[in-house]
Amino acid sequence: DGGITQSPKYLFRKEGQNVTLSCEQNLNHDAMYWYRQDPGQGLRLIYYSQIVNDFQKGDIAEGYSVSREKKESFPLTVTSAQKNPTAFYLCASTNEDASSYEQYFGPGTRLTVT
Amino acid sequence: GDSVTQMEGPVTLSEEAFLTINCTYTATGYPSLFWYVQYPGEGLQLLLKATKADDKGSNKGFEATYRKETTSFHLEKGSVQVSDSAVYFCALRRVGTGGFKTIFGAGTRLFVKA
Repeated sequence: DGGITQSPKYLFRKEGQNVTLSCEQNLNHDAMYWYRQDPGQGLRLIYYSQIVNDFQKGDIAEGYSVSREKKESFPLTVTSAQKNPTAFYLCASTNEDASSYEQYFGPGTRLTVT
Repeated sequence: GDSVTQMEGPVTLSEEAFLTINCTYTATGYPSLFWYVQYPGEGLQLLLKATKADDKGSNKGFEATYRKETTSFHLEKGSVQVSDSAVYFCALRRVGTGGFKTIFGAGTRLFVKA
């Protein structure tokens, strides 16, 4: 089955450490996205990538970095510069050739930093 | 800029009650409109969509009609079930120039009591 996988589902880190969240898709989608969700809140866009080797900052990119070396993969690094990294992180992709541009989401990674 | 406003929750209903979650939007051009649903601890999944004015999206008993004159896309279901308890997000995506972001509302949490 096609879809988006995120690993791990739960991640614990100590303050001051960088951590990388994995996102892989086998949907052959060009565009990929990272969102952050805080308890009881909506989604905030961190970074997005329309094609391989290209990505743009979203609304809350500070303290995060990404790479897009392969079409299938869009890892997110939460750096020690991110002041409040504890959150639920969602990866998504879109088929930009389709007419409706619906987003496909992964199951999310819950990051806890203490 | 583009925006989506949806009614604040939580919404608490008894099983078999009628559901309406209001959603209005601001956008230039003719965006595609979506409702996504998020069950506890999971990613979002597409519930329904509409790509042009007067289109009705429907799925699993839920419906929403794209009303351009009122810039609205209200979600309705005639008889809710306990299993419908989740967070519902209204969203829009402009197509064409500059339309690589999906704009999400803040989400509305629905509780359905048996």
